[in-house]
Amino acid sequence: GAGVSQSPSNKVTEKGKDVELRCDPISGHTALYWYRQSLGQGLEFLIYFQGNSAPDKSGLPSDRFSAERTGGSVSTLTIQRTQQEDSAVYLCASSLMGAGNTEAFFGQGTRLTVV
Amino acid sequence: GNSVTQMEGPVTLSEEAFLTINCTYTATGYPSLFWYVQYPGEGLQLLLKATKADDKGSNKGFEATYRKETTSFHLEKGSVQVSDSAVYFCALPSSGSARQLTFGSGTQLTVLP
Repeated sequence: GAGVSQSPSNKVTEKGKDVELRCDPISGHTALYWYRQSLGQGLEFLIYFQGNSAPDKSGLPSDRFSAERTGGSVSTLTIQRTQQEDSAVYLCASSLMGAGNTEAFFGQGTRLTVV
Repeated sequence: GNSVTQMEGPVTLSEEAFLTINCTYTATGYPSLFWYVQYPGEGLQLLLKATKADDKGSNKGFEATYRKETTSFHLEKGSVQVSDSAVYFCALPSSGSARQLTFGSGTQLTVLP
């Protein structure tokens, strides 16, 4: 499809395990964002990529969280040693330029449940 | 950094009622302002935006006017439909040079037939 694709759509994992979440942005979009949406909360910014580099990692909540982007396209968000408070919907978005200037397109998210 | 305060929900209206969802912001300068909408089971999508003071963004019958005097960007619709049931988010760039958006907490709207 032409939209932002995220996989898996749902993930249940045991506390302490590592998880990888994948995002396929819209082709040609140089900017890519990860947000976290907890139940009843707004969107919490995690990290922003411009091409393959991440000029802003300020939102990553701890060193258990990391992300990379390869080939200016696919991005992976990795959470190590998951905790129950990591349970949330993880949203990926992409935009042609910065989202402050152009429309950001969002995927449907990955719902992560840590049990 | 910039921030946004959004009217808390949930909001429940009857079809054809008038809708207002309040949004106020704190920002350096005059950044673009956005409303995003998340329909059930779907990703967020841009509803409308305004790029400078006094601009009015509009789409699908929704409107919002960028008011610098009151630092507000309230979302309005004159006659809501059941299909407008969704979560609505007000947003703006996180800072003057930031590429990412800061979002409000979202307002759940339910329209009853």
